[in-house]
Amino acid sequence: NAGVTQTPKFQVLKTGQSMTLQCAQDMNHNSMYWYRQDPGMGLRLIYYSASEGTTDKGEVPNGYNVSRLNKREFSLRLESAAPSQTSVYFCASRLLGGQGTSWADTQYFGPGTRLTVL
Amino acid sequence: GNSVTQMEGPVTLSEEAFLTINCTYTATGYPSLFWYVQYPGEGLQLLLKATKADDKGSNKGFEATYRKETTSFHLEKGSVQVSDSAVYFCALGSSASKIIFGSGTRLSIRP
Repeated sequence: NAGVTQTPKFQVLKTGQSMTLQCAQDMNHNSMYWYRQDPGMGLRLIYYSASEGTTDKGEVPNGYNVSRLNKREFSLRLESAAPSQTSVYFCASRLLGGQGTSWADTQYFGPGTRLTVL
Repeated sequence: GNSVTQMEGPVTLSEEAFLTINCTYTATGYPSLFWYVQYPGEGLQLLLKATKADDKGSNKGFEATYRKETTSFHLEKGSVQVSDSAVYFCALGSSASKIIFGSGTRLSIRP
């Protein structure tokens, strides 16, 4: 299994340009997430998708859109990039389910995309 | 709402010292609790987890016990190594699918 993959690894944009960050997981997980990590700020949730066909806003959704294309893929789009969106972006997936003693909660992160907006 | 509070860093220790990084949480229901580690220039890796009260998660010499009575999930290691230098994140996962992270604790180990 490749786990969670993200493309691209690095990207430089000019203010106002658009781009889509891709994320895919091959672990058959239900939930997927997009976070941004800024120096000294920890991780902040941008959007998440609890299951295929659903998406919800996190803490910092402004300036972003997402698409849960299928169970495997969850993309993040910046329509008009701004310098404030310079950050490292992480995708994650999570399997949540089961009953009683067989309750499972397993989650993994991708390697990240380092985005610079000039 | 749900929240996670963890010990502020940076924490600097000598090799072979005992490590504790405190984490407390506020949550409704019965969340899962996690510790993640981030090495310089890398993504987050799951270090250990616990999905119910009194569970102990362990991995690579690290341990944390899910304490519902004190709403805590403190990370401990008996003897740290230089290679443990990293940023450690406590996180809470609810059945509503959101995962909430603490602000991270930077750990530096001196040889």
